[in-house]
Amino acid sequence: QLQLQESGPGLVKPSETLSLTCSVSGGSISDSSDFWGWIRQPPGKGLEWIGSIHYSARIYDNPSLKSRVTISVDTSKNQFSLKVRSLTAADTAVYYCARQKRDNWNGLDWFDPWGQGTLVTVSS
Amino acid sequence: DIVMTQSPDSLAVSLGERATINCKSSQSVLYNSNNKNYLAWYQQKPGQPPKLLIYWASTRESGVPDRFSGSGSGTDFTLTISSLQAEDVAIYYCHQYYRTMYTFGQGTKLEIK
Repeated sequence: QLQLQESGPGLVKPSETLSLTCSVSGGSISDSSDFWGWIRQPPGKGLEWIGSIHYSARIYDNPSLKSRVTISVDTSKNQFSLKVRSLTAADTAVYYCARQKRDNWNGLDWFDPWGQGTLVTVSS
Repeated sequence: DIVMTQSPDSLAVSLGERATINCKSSQSVLYNSNNKNYLAWYQQKPGQPPKLLIYWASTRESGVPDRFSGSGSGTDFTLTISSLQAEDVAIYYCHQYYRTMYTFGQGTKLEIK
């Protein structure tokens, strides 16, 4: 059974860079049909997609965050990562990682499964 | 971007009664080449990640109780819970995966009346 687990610091200072990792178990991150995504959810608010990466490093990303975000993949560790630069309080959120399958016709499909999420607070 | 708008924002339904949540997309999510609606529904309980309920607008994920059903096409979609159970209290989100700028509805909070 595929499982994902986020890890990273719970507290980061404004203007600094957040680094999160998602570890994949029960399957290979190098499956050609899979993309690996990041989604965030500010406390009490809705879901915002950040970006999704294939093991080949093909990336789909959210233009509104693209200038501050780097997503990468490490196949040797079966992990993928997220960096968000120039943090502000508005980046405070639960960050989730999840899998998306490649659609045979159009882009990618739904998110499933999801990791449990990790709360990141941006505060001095 | 495709904007997903859910209604209502919150809903209180008696146990055993029907609950209906609506989702409207700002443009069609029906892909004509395969005649599929690129629309999913998730359930999120407090402190948990979203859980996939429905994909292709009406296909129930394995293990999801059959009281959950999805319908609709094009721009208008509905999630129906035929007989509300206490464990269905949650926030429900629709999600379009038609365009690679993936977006979600704002969520509908479902409570027991």
